[in-house]
Amino acid sequence: QSVLTQPPSASATPGQRVTISCSGSSSYIGSTSVYWYQQLPGAAPKLVIYSNNQRPSGVPDRFSGSKSGTSASLAISGLRSEDEADYYCATWDDSLSGWVFGGGTKLTVL
Amino acid sequence: EVQLVESGGGLVQPGRSLRLSCTTSGFTFGDYAVSWVRQAPGKGLEWVGFIRRKPYGGATGYAASVKGRFTISRDESKSTAYLQMNSLKTEDTAIYYCSRDSGIYGMDVWGQGTTVTVSS
Repeated sequence: QSVLTQPPSASATPGQRVTISCSGSSSYIGSTSVYWYQQLPGAAPKLVIYSNNQRPSGVPDRFSGSKSGTSASLAISGLRSEDEADYYCATWDDSLSGWVFGGGTKLTVL
Repeated sequence: EVQLVESGGGLVQPGRSLRLSCTTSGFTFGDYAVSWVRQAPGKGLEWVGFIRRKPYGGATGYAASVKGRFTISRDESKSTAYLQMNSLKTEDTAIYYCSRDSGIYGMDVWGQGTTVTVSS
């Protein structure tokens, strides 16, 4: 059981906006930054959001992140077929001195 | 081009050892920590451990599931990080990824992964 909870699946049609949630606690997310990783089928993970809402260079502005209290969200607008992937949230765990991941959300573009 | 390339994976019997390498290029290796992350077949991502850069003493940290069995090291002269895996268990079967750990900027570059299968 991860300390970060994500829905196992999400779906939307091309062009729509979809959000993926990541729920934590006062120790996780409440007092730490959240990161989001995209993993396309058969590929390595790729960072798409860091420090809650920052996009690395090269990530389209269709991707956005937000955080409120002990929850965070990844939003993808103007959904495309190539966005179909697994998405993972992550945060730093001070007690572990390491990273923790959510269980992942499989996004299907219908 | 910034690159990380893992190698050393393979089939190994339970109880045996294996060493993975993460060879980097395209950036100043000494300026970054390196994290190892694994993914069991059909499962999600699991952080394995990391090694800080030399100014921070090259300190390491490990997940509870591998602590005492796995050791991470780095060779600045070769721009390479290593994951020494001892007393391997069947549940260590996974794809192992190394990543450039940029702290507050996240794990911002990943290798393609190397597969480790622990089976008799």
